[in-house]
Amino acid sequence: QKEVEQNSGPLSVPEGAIASLNCTYSDRGSQSFFWYRQYSGKSPELIMFIYSNGDKEDGRFTAQLNKASQYVSLLIRDSQPSDSATYLCAATYNSGGSNYKLTFGKGTLLTVNP
Amino acid sequence: DGGITQSPKYLFRKEGQNVTLSCEQNLNHDAMYWYRQDPGQGLRLIYYSQIVNDFQKGDIAEGYSVSREKKESFPLTVTSAQKNPTAFYLCASSIGLAGGRAYEQYFGPGTRLTVT
Repeated sequence: QKEVEQNSGPLSVPEGAIASLNCTYSDRGSQSFFWYRQYSGKSPELIMFIYSNGDKEDGRFTAQLNKASQYVSLLIRDSQPSDSATYLCAATYNSGGSNYKLTFGKGTLLTVNP
Repeated sequence: DGGITQSPKYLFRKEGQNVTLSCEQNLNHDAMYWYRQDPGQGLRLIYYSQIVNDFQKGDIAEGYSVSREKKESFPLTVTSAQKNPTAFYLCASSIGLAGGRAYEQYFGPGTRLTVT
C-alpha cells in the first residue's frame, strides 16, 4: 500500500512567522508531488507542485523535495491568518501501464495566530 | 469561465436508494477522478478515467459505479451496496499523463451526501 505521511498537527504559528509543513512518502518510484490547501468545509485547492529535487518558490510558498530521503516540505513565509487551513500532501504512483494515481496524506492543520 | 462543477452541493437520501452525483468540467481535461473524504481521513480514490469510454477502479470502488460517455462528464452513482455512503464526495480533473509525468489535479466544490 502506497502511503503518504503527514503530522496531523495542529501546527500553530504567530502571524508573520514561517510555517513549515512536512511529508514523507513510501513509493520510491513517485515522480510528482503536490501541496493542496483545504479550508474547513471546502474542496482542496492546489498551491504548489514539484517534480525535481531541490526548492521551488512561488510567492510566499516554497516547496522542497528530497527524493533520496523521500521527503517533501512546504514553507509558508510571512504567515497570515488567512493561511489557517489543512494542508494536504500528495504523491503520484504508477498503478500499472499508463495509469497514474495520487495518494494523499491525511493533512496537517495549520493555525496562524494574529 | 473554466472550471469543474458538481451538483448538488448537499444531498440527502434514505438508506437503500441509489443516488447519482454529477461532475462536469470545461477545462478540456482528459482525466477525471472521484474521491471521498471522511472526517479526519485523507482523500480516498473511488474511480478514475483517463479517456472517454474507459475507467478504472480506485482503492474503494465497491458500492460505486461510474460512466464516461463524454469528455466533459463523469457521473458517480452511489448504490445501496455501499455500506457507509455518508461522506464528502470530490470530483477532480487533470490533463493526465504527458511527457512521462502526471499533471496536477483540480477539484470541484464537492457534494456532501448524507444517507439516513
